[in-house]
Amino acid sequence: DVKVTQSSRYLVKRTGEKVFLECVQDMDHENMFWYRQDPGLGLRLIYFSYDVKMKEKGDIPEGYSVSREKKERFSLILESASTNQTSMYLCASSFFSGRAYNEQFFGPGTRLTVL
Amino acid sequence: AQSVSQHNHHVILSEAASLELGCNYSYGGTVNLFWYVQYPGQHLQLLLKYFSGDPLVKGIKGFEAEFIKSKFSFNLRKPSVQWSDTAEYFCAVNAGNMLTFGGGTRLMVKP
Repeated sequence: DVKVTQSSRYLVKRTGEKVFLECVQDMDHENMFWYRQDPGLGLRLIYFSYDVKMKEKGDIPEGYSVSREKKERFSLILESASTNQTSMYLCASSFFSGRAYNEQFFGPGTRLTVL
Repeated sequence: AQSVSQHNHHVILSEAASLELGCNYSYGGTVNLFWYVQYPGQHLQLLLKYFSGDPLVKGIKGFEAEFIKSKFSFNLRKPSVQWSDTAEYFCAVNAGNMLTFGGGTRLMVKP
């Protein structure tokens, strides 16, 4: 069973704080993703990584950065949290098999509130 | 850039009713298509996917979807819903490196 875990289910931070969201997958997947999920907007891709130390911007990268130092771990960083970053953050991973895409496996999500 | 539209944001049905959730995408090339489901309090999980071949795809829990290339659509269907199908459903389309999700449809099935 693929397992994607996220460091926190709920997080409350103050405006201006630096926030780290951690994601770990145990299936040796090459690809990892960070999304935010907002009502009516579905999931929007923030960043993804297809290999260690590699990253690509998604649709909404502004205000975020990422780090992938090890294959199993992908971190999302909010350098200076703002109230409009209050959201549910989902991490996902998938393997690469030569297809354009494979099924993504999702973590439970981190509900971040920025006060 | 590709986009995905789900026309119904909220759907309420009685048990045993038939379900069809619409999904349209905008992209002219080859696509891979997915439906994901998120049950209350649970992870997002794959319901079904289409890569190629038979455009009628069967997934888990009695769901199916039909890819109609000429209409850029990938609608999700189930002939008879159950209370346990209450969830949020997301259509997603891949072309290139990224997966683009629709806005989601919240389905409530009344017992």
